[in-house]
Amino acid sequence: QSALTQPASVSGSPGQSITISCTGTSSDVGSSNLVSWYQQHPGRAPKLMIYEVSRRPTGVSNRFSGSKSGNTASLTISGLQAEDEADYYCCSYASYSRVFGGGTRLTVL
Amino acid sequence: QVQLQESGPGLVKPSETLSLTCTVSGGSINNYYWSWIRQPPGKGLEWLGYIYFSGSTSYNPSLKSRVTISFDTSKTQFSLRLSSVTAADTAVYYCARDLGVRFAPWGQGTLVTVSS
Repeated sequence: QSALTQPASVSGSPGQSITISCTGTSSDVGSSNLVSWYQQHPGRAPKLMIYEVSRRPTGVSNRFSGSKSGNTASLTISGLQAEDEADYYCCSYASYSRVFGGGTRLTVL
Repeated sequence: QVQLQESGPGLVKPSETLSLTCTVSGGSINNYYWSWIRQPPGKGLEWLGYIYFSGSTSYNPSLKSRVTISFDTSKTQFSLRLSSVTAADTAVYYCARDLGVRFAPWGQGTLVTVSS
């Protein structure tokens, strides 16, 4: 079970949109719609931002959206704000277990 | 609303067993999965395993031989045991309710250091 592949870092200016990819295999990302995304600020526990590929929990801004194509899931953040600067992790179902991505550091320029 | 809190020793000696407990308050354990996740300092998240309310378990294949997750008899707490620890097991350990690859809420996390 290998970690899902995410870019180590992405950046964008306030107001812009960015997309973070999460690439797996047909045994994990490609096997179901059970993909979720987490935001983590330094020293804090992760926070659920997206589940089941594209669903947003109550209270999460609609600037956050998710999608999936084949073995790659994506998180898009539109209208970037300074508070979005954080680490982002994807997670997928994988044969009765779960596997995380390596994480992506988002810098808001 | 459901809240989770990890507890246990912050320091464990190499080769010994790490034991942590997650206390669930404000809600029932029934009908959910309950996971342990860890994060080594400066690194990413790693799923360790879950226990379903029925008692069935699933573990990360890379740690399967060393990990055990169980409920206490009252089913208000679930525990993690990780045997034969090394420095590589130093991490912040989180417990979380798992609604099917949907971890929410999370505990605040507890740092466990493996050192003699």
